[in-house]
Parts: sequence; C-alpha cells; structure tokens
Amino acid sequence: DAKTTQPNSMESNEEEPVHLPCNHSTISGTDYIHWYRQLPSQGPEYVIHGLTSNVNNRMASLAIAEDRKSSTLILHRATLRDAAVYYCILSGSDYKLSFGAGTTVTVRA
Amino acid sequence: NAGVTQTPKFRILKIGQSMTLQCTQDMNHNYMYWYRQDPGMGLKLIYYSVGAGITDKGEVPNGYNVSRSTTEDFPLRLELAAPSQTSVYFCASSSHFGGSGVGNQPQHFGDGTRLSIL
Repeated sequence: DAKTTQPNSMESNEEEPVHLPCNHSTISGTDYIHWYRQLPSQGPEYVIHGLTSNVNNRMASLAIAEDRKSSTLILHRATLRDAAVYYCILSGSDYKLSFGAGTTVTVRA
Repeated sequence: NAGVTQTPKFRILKIGQSMTLQCTQDMNHNYMYWYRQDPGMGLKLIYYSVGAGITDKGEVPNGYNVSRSTTEDFPLRLELAAPSQTSVYFCASSSHFGGSGVGNQPQHFGDGTRLSIL
C-alpha cells in the first residue's frame, strides 16, 4: 500500500489559515487523496478528497502538486472546533483506507 | 438521516466472554468496514464487506468474526475476549456508485464502541 507522511503536530491561531502538508511519493495513478479528521472521542469525519485537480468544499480546500507526490489541506479560517487529528490517506482500487498517526492540530484562541 | 449507528457505546467484558458489536447503516451502502483504534494510534482495518454475503479479512482479523446477511447490518463478534482487544471500535460504510473508481468514495463512520476487557 502506498504510504503517506505527515507532521506529528501543528499549531494555529484562531481565525488564521492552516496548511497541513502530506507527502505521498509512491502514489499510484489510480489512488485518490483523502483527508479525514477525528475530533476527541468521536469517529473519523470525511473532509475532502481529490485525484489530480485542486478541490474546494465548505470545510476546506485540497491543493495537489502537479506530480501528485504531495498535497496540502487548507483550512481557511481555523476555529476552536477545528482542533482535531487530521489524516491524509490514499484510497485506491481496493477501497481500503490505511490510517497513520495523522497530524494533531491545536488552535489557540 | 442516522448514517452509521453503532451499539453499544461502551462495554466492559471479562476475559473469555463473548459479545457482538452491532453496526447498521441507512444509506444503502454496499461497502462496510470494521476498524479498531488503540490509544494514540491510527485506525486499523479488522474486516470489510463489499456486499451482503461477502466478507474479507483486513489488517488485524485474529480474534474476530463478521457476517453480512443484509446490506444494512455488519456485526462484529468477539468469541473469547482478551485484554489485547481493549480498544475503540469503529464501523464505516461507503458507496460504490459514482466516480471513476472505488477510491473516489468517502467512508462514513459511526461514533464508535469503547470496549474494555478486564
């Protein structure tokens, strides 16, 4: 399975943007890049996903490098409710998700 | 819309006891999954199912069994509980329709079952 690499933690101030990087140098052509987040004591929550083009939704934006070996999740204006563990995951033809340790995001008021 | 519902939310078992964790979804999703999450770790896939009557092992299947008799339900059974199975268990589902591949479908998770085995 193709793996991803994320920083262990990131801090941000409330109302400021947060850029979460993810490296996936062994990504295959059919792998989608998914982002999930997990708030304390809750199940993972889908955030966004994409294949090649940048994607936007109400929660976040996903910027995918041209060679697809890295991507960045962008939270445009962090709120205290965005404090969570964020997982960058590759999802391919076997539809199974492989969760790593993720990035713990702390938002300061 | 309930989504993915897991019961019970909490349970304490004694070593050697058995129990079934229930999972049901109302989104008519073909694919369903069971994960476990140990403290401070990411999720690990236990079993998955691509449709009624079809199940397959994931990364950590030992000590567990599953069945899929209907599209909606995907119960996980622990036959002989062991302390190593103390964990939080999450059920998820996804659709196989739309997009250009199965990787194009997000998974929807339940709120989890917190299981302690003493």
